[in-house]
Amino acid sequence: EVQLVQSGAEVKKPGESLKISCKGSGYSFSTYWIGWVRQMPGKGLEWLGIIYPVDSDIRYNPSFQGQVTISADKSISTAYLQWSSLKASDTAVYYCARQNFWNNYYYYFDYWGQGTLVTVSS
Amino acid sequence: DIQMTQSPSSLSASVGDRVTITCRASQTITNYLNWYQQKPGKAPKVLIYASSSLQSGVPSRFSGGGSGTDFTLTISSLQPEDFATYYCQQSYSTPRTFGQGTKLEIK
Repeated sequence: EVQLVQSGAEVKKPGESLKISCKGSGYSFSTYWIGWVRQMPGKGLEWLGIIYPVDSDIRYNPSFQGQVTISADKSISTAYLQWSSLKASDTAVYYCARQNFWNNYYYYFDYWGQGTLVTVSS
Repeated sequence: DIQMTQSPSSLSASVGDRVTITCRASQTITNYLNWYQQKPGKAPKVLIYASSSLQSGVPSRFSGGGSGTDFTLTISSLQPEDFATYYCQQSYSTPRTFGQGTKLEIK
């Protein structure tokens, strides 16, 4: 069974750093892109970026590049999302998701983690 | 970036109704369009990919269509479990942007 299990909820102060994780199991982790999606309270879904664990090729959403860092450790089937200096506006639920593909070019997120709530407040 | 615009933003309907949600892309995306369903407090779930391909395990009352810039998600006969928020997403290019969502509520 394919599963993506994310790390637990975090409460941080503005200016602090944070790294959240997403561990895959039940499939060959290295051979699927993993994406990160943000959902601010009461709002819609925002695509942050994706990483290919085999070679750590990363595609960022330009709107978020420099604000977050995506990484992966294929040896432990885990992807990461990190911040060096959190802001209150980073408060959101962050989802990881596996990017599957059909017919080589049609990409979609077929399995999702349970979400990690990040709260940034002084 | 490609902008995705859904309409309506919210919709009230009754069990058994047929409903259609529309998604428009700011430029052509051929048929690189996905639909997701999200229930409160849960992760999204893919329903449709490549505009009209039904994801395994998704009931056949869900269907998708369209190409170019205009797309639809249709639920042929609403069931109680279908009341949720629906998002379209383009997979034509990165960033793979989502629509703003359509909240489907019980009338």
